[in-house]
Amino acid sequence: EIVLTQSPATLSLSPGERATLSCRASQSVSGYLAWYQQKPGLAPRLLIYDASNRATGIPARFSGSGSGTDFTLTISNLEPEDFAVYYCHQRSDWPPLTFGGGTKVEIK
Amino acid sequence: EVQLVESGGGLVQPGGSLRLSCAASGFTFNSYSMNWVRQAPGKGLEWVSYISSGSSTIYYADSVKGRFAISRDNAKNSLYLQMNSLRAEDTAVYYCARDFRHNWNETHYMDVWGTGTTVTVSS
Repeated sequence: EIVLTQSPATLSLSPGERATLSCRASQSVSGYLAWYQQKPGLAPRLLIYDASNRATGIPARFSGSGSGTDFTLTISNLEPEDFAVYYCHQRSDWPPLTFGGGTKVEIK
Repeated sequence: EVQLVESGGGLVQPGGSLRLSCAASGFTFNSYSMNWVRQAPGKGLEWVSYISSGSSTIYYADSVKGRFAISRDNAKNSLYLQMNSLRAEDTAVYYCARDFRHNWNETHYMDVWGTGTTVTVSS
């Protein structure tokens, strides 16, 4: 089973700042990694698939990069609505599909 | 509008059973594989099960294998999860989620999620 480790667990930033979230895989997932955003009480929302492709309707301030075992989600200019929990997800070697433990982006 | 609506959650005693349903609308249900994903209180996401569009391929997480059964009825645009021998650690919000298709290829990412139904296993 591929384990995804996200860091940091919590990121405290102000609106307008840049957020950099990391996801590390226990073995190579090639580029088969997605990112989701989840707000309290709501379902996750697909942001990025295949490491760097934005899903439909996702603003350009969200970008993904990486391959192999190291991936990054960058939010270039934090908007108030971006404060949420973010999960990475791999589909390279499954079952099982696996998710990272999440990074909470909170208002500083 | 593309929508998934889960139902069937509730409070059940350890060892009991529950059947979750997920009603799909706004898209061609029989063209998409589907998943169940759960989230324990205050915890992260855990994939539970997958079923292909025609039900020919089914997978489970090891944590539920032998106890849970996924199924679908394409005529009714519905997905199901039969949960038996429930344990306290099965307590979670259960989401159904559509398998994202990119250029009509399955990706096994999830692009449409329901609002979730809560399952609580407790005596």
